[in-house]
Amino acid sequence: QKEVEQNSGPLSVPEGAIASLNCTYSDRGSQSFFWYRQYSGKSPELIMFIYSNGDKEDGRFTAQLNKASQYVSLLIRDSQPSDSATYLCAVRKTSYDKVIFGPGTSLSVIP
Amino acid sequence: NAGVMQNPRHLVRRRGQEARLRCSPMKGHSHVYWYRQLPEEGLKFMVYLQKENIIDESGMPKERFSAEFPKEGPSILRIQQVVRGDSAAYFCASSLGPGQNQPQHFGDGTRLSIL
Repeated sequence: QKEVEQNSGPLSVPEGAIASLNCTYSDRGSQSFFWYRQYSGKSPELIMFIYSNGDKEDGRFTAQLNKASQYVSLLIRDSQPSDSATYLCAVRKTSYDKVIFGPGTSLSVIP
Repeated sequence: NAGVMQNPRHLVRRRGQEARLRCSPMKGHSHVYWYRQLPEEGLKFMVYLQKENIIDESGMPKERFSAEFPKEGPSILRIQQVVRGDSAAYFCASSLGPGQNQPQHFGDGTRLSIL
């Protein structure tokens, strides 16, 4: 079992819709969770991080964490074509542990 | 520019040569991480360093690869006797500290091509 799993996609949504990106992780002791966006040929860009169960909202983005289910998700409301990118889920066990990245989900927002 | 600075942006080497990749963390950041990314693949952790210390090098190949983060100057990822399979994008990230809510911020990467 891979440490961090994501659907590779591509996930296609129409402009204005909600895009839902999912991530599961294997280490129940994981404490910090991050979502990055990566455009083709560019570096990963931090969108949000979360470490408590529940929802965390920032503008059009909402991160959801359920530690019991070992599941973290990212919702993008009012999706825009500029949101088309690969979204990377990342997990860290403790403060001094390395961050493990999932393979990423490719999102395409259709105008 | 207060972001993570990596250089060079592109590096071409012939098989058997050495590649040196540099990373200057964000101002005030003392923790540096190196990742490798192959085309159409995710980021693979290589090494985690703090000033003058290697915290975790579990993702770095035992041979030909080394990393350092000296007291003064940038972090260096060194690849000796490069082979075709070393061709990849190498990203450096830095964080303020090890805290739970201290995310990593990435540089623009070095694209290494081996001829």
